[in-house]
Amino acid sequence: DIVLTQSPALAVSLGQRATISCRASQSVSISRYNLMHWYQQKPGQQPKLLIYRASNLASGIPARFSGSGSGTDFTLTINPVQADDIATYYCQQSRESPPTFGGGTKLELK
Amino acid sequence: EVQLVESGGSLVQPGGSLKLSCVASGFTFSNYWMDWVRQTPGKSLEWIGEINTDGSKTNYAPSIKDRFTISRDNAKSTLYLQMSNVKSDDTAIYYCTRTTVADYWGQGVMVTVSS
Repeated sequence: DIVLTQSPALAVSLGQRATISCRASQSVSISRYNLMHWYQQKPGQQPKLLIYRASNLASGIPARFSGSGSGTDFTLTINPVQADDIATYYCQQSRESPPTFGGGTKLELK
Repeated sequence: EVQLVESGGSLVQPGGSLKLSCVASGFTFSNYWMDWVRQTPGKSLEWIGEINTDGSKTNYAPSIKDRFTISRDNAKSTLYLQMSNVKSDDTAIYYCTRTTVADYWGQGVMVTVSS
């Protein structure tokens, strides 16, 4: 299985930029498609899709969220961070079955 | 509005069986692959498996293969997860999702495996 590694937590101040990383144990890119996706989960809620295929904003997601990366290294950026963004963020790869998720990065206020 | 509503979660003894349901609305259910994902308490997300649009093809995570079965009834817009020979490690919140890159999730249903 492809293992996705995320830092457990990140502390950030409101109005600042947050950069959340996800590293894959092998490439999750095929040709020009980067098969990495990002989700946000708030306590007591189901996850919500934020970014698909590394850099595409899901429907209804604010433009302060963006994604980048290719191969094995991917980044979710939130700029500027708002209070409503305090949550846990997961990456997911769909390059190879089974699809796998990272362990999640909890975004906290500094 | 797209909605996915799971039901059927409960407390079940080790070795027992349970069937979860997920009723879909707000979209043409029969046009989409559907998946099940679970989340163990305090831990990350684990993909369980998927089913194609007409129910003729399923894929499962190796960790649950041969114990869980995914099926669907397109006439009822309902997805199912049949769980058999459950273990304590199966204790989790179970979500149904629309496709593997999950643009919609249900609210989740709790399954607790304990004697």
